[in-house]
Amino acid sequence: DAGITQSPRHKVTETGTPVTLRCHQTENHRYMYWYRQDPGHGLRLIHYSYGVKDTDKGEVSDGYSVSRSKTEDFLLTLESATSSQTSVYFCAISGPPGTGVAGELFFGEGSRLTVL
Amino acid sequence: QQQVKQSPQSLIVQKGGISIINCAYENTAFDYFPWYQQFPGKGPALLIAIRPDVSEKKEGRFTISFNKSAKQFSLHIMDSQPGDSATYFCAASDTNAGKSTFGDGTTLTVKP
Repeated sequence: DAGITQSPRHKVTETGTPVTLRCHQTENHRYMYWYRQDPGHGLRLIHYSYGVKDTDKGEVSDGYSVSRSKTEDFLLTLESATSSQTSVYFCAISGPPGTGVAGELFFGEGSRLTVL
Repeated sequence: QQQVKQSPQSLIVQKGGISIINCAYENTAFDYFPWYQQFPGKGPALLIAIRPDVSEKKEGRFTISFNKSAKQFSLHIMDSQPGDSATYFCAASDTNAGKSTFGDGTTLTVKP
C-alpha cells in the first residue's frame, strides 16, 4: 500500500469553526490531491498540488484552501466550516505527467468530517 | 457538465454471474482510464486501467472494454463473487494536466 496517512480520521465540529485536515505521504510523489466524496456525487476534486507551494483549484474549491510547504505534507483548510462541507475527504497522490504512474491515484483512508 | 457518466448506480448480481458497469466521457484530452474499487470505510484502490490505444485489457476476472470512437468504456467482472461487493468508480485522466475526473460510482452487490 502507498504510504499515505490522513489525520484526523474523524472529526465533529460546529458551523463557523476552522478545520484543517492533514495528508502525509512517504512516497515522494510530486502530485497530491484532495477529493470529497458524497453520496450520488462520486469523488470531486477540491484542490491539487503539483509541487511544493504549487497548488491549483479543482471543481469544488469554494470554501477551501490548501497549503504545501513540504513534499510530504498537503493541508486542506476549511476557514469557516458549514454543514454543506460535511463529507468524507480523501487525499490522493500520483506520479507526474509523462511517467508510468501518471493517471493512477493512490488514496488515503479518508477523513470523515461532520459539521453540526 | 458532467464529464464522466457512469451507469448503473447500483447493481445486484448472483454469485458466478457477470457484472457490467459502463462509463462514457466527453473530453478528448483524457488519455488514461482507470477503475477503482472501494470497500466501506476504505479509500478507493486502483483495480485496472487502460490506455486509449488498446480496445481491451484483462486482469484475472476483470476486463476493461474500450471504444474510443464512441468515447465509452466498461468494466466486466466475470464469475462475480460476494467478495467483489463494493463500490466501483470509473475515472478518466488527463495525464498531461495531472487531473482525473470520476464517475458517480456503482454499488455492486453479489448475492451468494
